[in-house]
Amino acid sequence: SQKIEQNSEALNIQEGKTATLTCNYTNYSPAYLQWYRQDPGRGPVFLLLIRENEKEKRKERLKVTFDTTLKQSLFHITASQPADSATYLCALGDDKIIFGKGTRLHILP
Amino acid sequence: NAGVTQTPKFRILKIGQSMTLQCTQDMNHNYMYWYRQDPGMGLKLIYYSVGAGITDKGEVPNGYNVSRSTTEDFPLRLELAAPSQTSVYFCASSSRGSSTDTQYFGPGTRLTVL
Repeated sequence: SQKIEQNSEALNIQEGKTATLTCNYTNYSPAYLQWYRQDPGRGPVFLLLIRENEKEKRKERLKVTFDTTLKQSLFHITASQPADSATYLCALGDDKIIFGKGTRLHILP
Repeated sequence: NAGVTQTPKFRILKIGQSMTLQCTQDMNHNYMYWYRQDPGMGLKLIYYSVGAGITDKGEVPNGYNVSRSTTEDFPLRLELAAPSQTSVYFCASSSRGSSTDTQYFGPGTRLTVL
């Protein structure tokens, strides 16, 4: 069955450094991959979408890569700030998307 | 432009009771979705709709029903509530299909079944 894996443990990063989150998937060849941010008690907020024929996408301090050979996406936040602390969800699919469990990111001041 | 609104924010139900979770969007989106999120878990798709009058099952539809009589509203009905339905429920909408377009999420309804 299709499976999405994100680091279940929280990631602690020092302010100003680059945070890198990983999303791995198996038994699946999605055409699209998305990243969302979720704050406690709130609904997810869309960040970036990348297509299978795109290797990399950027938006301000965010960068996403999509390696269909490795079946992996990396999500980078450069010059991280405490306000970037949240849970980040990976989602992928074709006609409908499925979500990973998310990775909690803590940016330490 | 309120986006996606959900009511109620919180609800406690007894086993066997029924309730309807309301969802409304004012962005004229064709696609609407209901997800549930259990603690420490990802979002699971319950039902979705690609337009008024059209609904389809997601990954975990058992115990739920939906209807879509208007573009704006997509209520989720729980019949005979069970403790396994304790979760946070999110409604979302998008202009096109979820994989190719931004989904806008509501604030969620936290449901406890005792």
